[in-house]
Amino acid sequence: AQSVTQLGSHVSVSEGALVLLRCNYSSSVPPYLFWYVQYPNQGLQLLLKYTSAATLVKGINGFEAEFKKSETSFHLTKPSAHMSDAAEYFCAVSPTQGGKLIFGQGTELSVKP
Amino acid sequence: EAGVTQFPSHSVIEKGQTVTLRCDPISGHDNLYWYRRVMGKEIKFLLHFVKESKQDESGMPNNRFLAERTGGTYSTLKVQPAELEDSGVYFCASSPGSYTYEQYFGPGTRLTVT
Repeated sequence: AQSVTQLGSHVSVSEGALVLLRCNYSSSVPPYLFWYVQYPNQGLQLLLKYTSAATLVKGINGFEAEFKKSETSFHLTKPSAHMSDAAEYFCAVSPTQGGKLIFGQGTELSVKP
Repeated sequence: EAGVTQFPSHSVIEKGQTVTLRCDPISGHDNLYWYRRVMGKEIKFLLHFVKESKQDESGMPNNRFLAERTGGTYSTLKVQPAELEDSGVYFCASSPGSYTYEQYFGPGTRLTVT
């Protein structure tokens, strides 16, 4: 069965610092990979997705993620954190196109001024 | 374009009572998904409708949960009778068709069973 592991339930960075949120997946076949963000009192919003095209995926709000098959990783990065990036971030995998999403545990990102 | 809406936003019920959650997907979206997040745990898939048919209900925890999607439009998720472990946030998501990737999520319904 496919699974997703997010390393670190809480990550704190200073404003302007690099954001790195880690995600590893287990899959016997190339999966579809996603990062979602949830701001307080809102639904999940798609940040970016990997669907077997380019391994470096750019998303909204300056975020990007790199698919590394050899490491089974899909880490999320942003060069410079902004206060508005404070939210919970979820990595997810889908075994089939249009099918269910399997989520990691979520990482709460705090940004210090 | 209106997003996915869920009603109610919060519900507090006693153990043994019945609760019905409603989800209105984005107009024209054939796919509708239900997920649940129990406190401290990951978001877990419950089931997937394609139009009015259940495509995948492998995540439904037990027969106290009943999901319906009348006419392929809105969906309801009924919990009867509710147990303490049913507390959590229930999310609904929708997507347009067969060859799409992005699921659009609603804000969720927070269910508390006391």
